Amino acid sequence: AQSVTQLDSQVPVFEEAPVELRCNYSSSVSVYLFWYVQYPNQGLQLLLKYLSGSTLVKGINGFEAEFNKSQTSFHLRKPSVHISDTAEYFCAVSDLRTDKLIFGTGTRLQVFP
Amino acid sequence: GAVVSQHPSRVICKSGTSVKIECRSLDFQATTMFWYRQFPKQSLMLMATSNEGSKATYEQGVEKDKFLINHASLTLSTLTVTSAHPEDSSFYICSVMGLGNTEAFFGQGTRLTVV
Repeated sequence: AQSVTQLDSQVPVFEEAPVELRCNYSSSVSVYLFWYVQYPNQGLQLLLKYLSGSTLVKGINGFEAEFNKSQTSFHLRKPSVHISDTAEYFCAVSDLRTDKLIFGTGTRLQVFP
Repeated sequence: GAVVSQHPSRVICKSGTSVKIECRSLDFQATTMFWYRQFPKQSLMLMATSNEGSKATYEQGVEKDKFLINHASLTLSTLTVTSAHPEDSSFYICSVMGLGNTEAFFGQGTRLTVV
């Protein structure tokens, strides 16, 4: 079975500051890794995904994430955040056999002016 | 990516009634659809997986007779919450995948309030 841990339930940050949202996972089989963003009362939008190859993945809105197999981590980063980045961010792993997505508990990113 | 339309976006119903939520894949053949529920300030919990033309596979603890899922075509899946109770109030989200895809596409979600 897979599991995803997002240690930070909330991350407050000032505008234009860098941010890192942490994600660790556990799995006995190969998985795909994803970061999604959710704005209030909306569905999820894919930010980026890691399938294979280069461990540094670039996504939309200036976000990037690095897959670290030895640390089983997939932390999300952005060098300079905007007010509009305020949202809930979910890390997820996909079971390659079933396509099921297992989500972390989410991190609320709050960007202050 | 695929365009997924979920309807209605909000619904309020009386306790004991049934509510149907539709998930449509507008430009994509969705061989697999997933239904999630999300309680306030919590993560998404997978309820069931449905493949077109087959019975849905429910996650442990999800009552299949209460949450009826139909996936009759490659573009439409429905979730019916039967005999709804206030504790069924939640945000329900669908997602779709096609053959050979590596990512799921999500609907906008449905806010169900049972009074």
